[in-house]
Amino acid sequence: AAGVIQSPRHLIKEKRETATLKCYPIPRHDTVYWYQQGPGQDPQFLISFYEKMQSDKGSIPDRFSAQQFSDYHSELNMSSLELGDSALYFCASSLGQAQSDEQFFGPGTRLTVL
Amino acid sequence: SQQGEEDPQALSIQEGENATMNCSYKTSINNLQWYRQNSGRGLVHLILIRSNEREKHSGRLRVTLDTSKKSSSLLITASRAADTASYFCATDLGYNFNKFYFGSGTKLNVKP
Repeated sequence: AAGVIQSPRHLIKEKRETATLKCYPIPRHDTVYWYQQGPGQDPQFLISFYEKMQSDKGSIPDRFSAQQFSDYHSELNMSSLELGDSALYFCASSLGQAQSDEQFFGPGTRLTVL
Repeated sequence: SQQGEEDPQALSIQEGENATMNCSYKTSINNLQWYRQNSGRGLVHLILIRSNEREKHSGRLRVTLDTSKKSSSLLITASRAADTASYFCATDLGYNFNKFYFGSGTKLNVKP
């Protein structure tokens, strides 16, 4: 069965550079969630989209922005990268938001900021 | 953690023993999910239990939910070395379906 796809799987950037992470949800899923997991930390919710509109926002820095496109894929844009942005970034998708059924997680993108 | 707290933080057992991990949360929920994560790898969904369920089984996994105590437990029976991983519980907020809060996780080490 198709799963959530994230690209790239690994990304190395310098401080103050920008990075774009992509997430392709499971086909027919219309809701996308982004989580950040720092080294040794639990995943923290960043932002979510439902039907191409932002549906909720968590602890996402102002330097980050995200959007969901007409094909439901989502991109997380990160600017002025800082060392502390080094983390695993997970995307998850679900079908609708009427009830919180399981969110299917992608494999994650490991971002390293040097 | 904003919602889930896990206990113990680390657990080391011998292969074949049972492992029990607990999770407590603060607000009412619609459901609670358990995830597993191997070191530096992605999250793997293990089991979902809804707020109107008390117990659920999946293979060697048994999850209980006590909404009156706002707690859940994950039992892994007959553990294997391959079960070595971090285990997280994640809950939504009863009024907010849109995001999950993860606990800080229990690091399980199963010694062969």
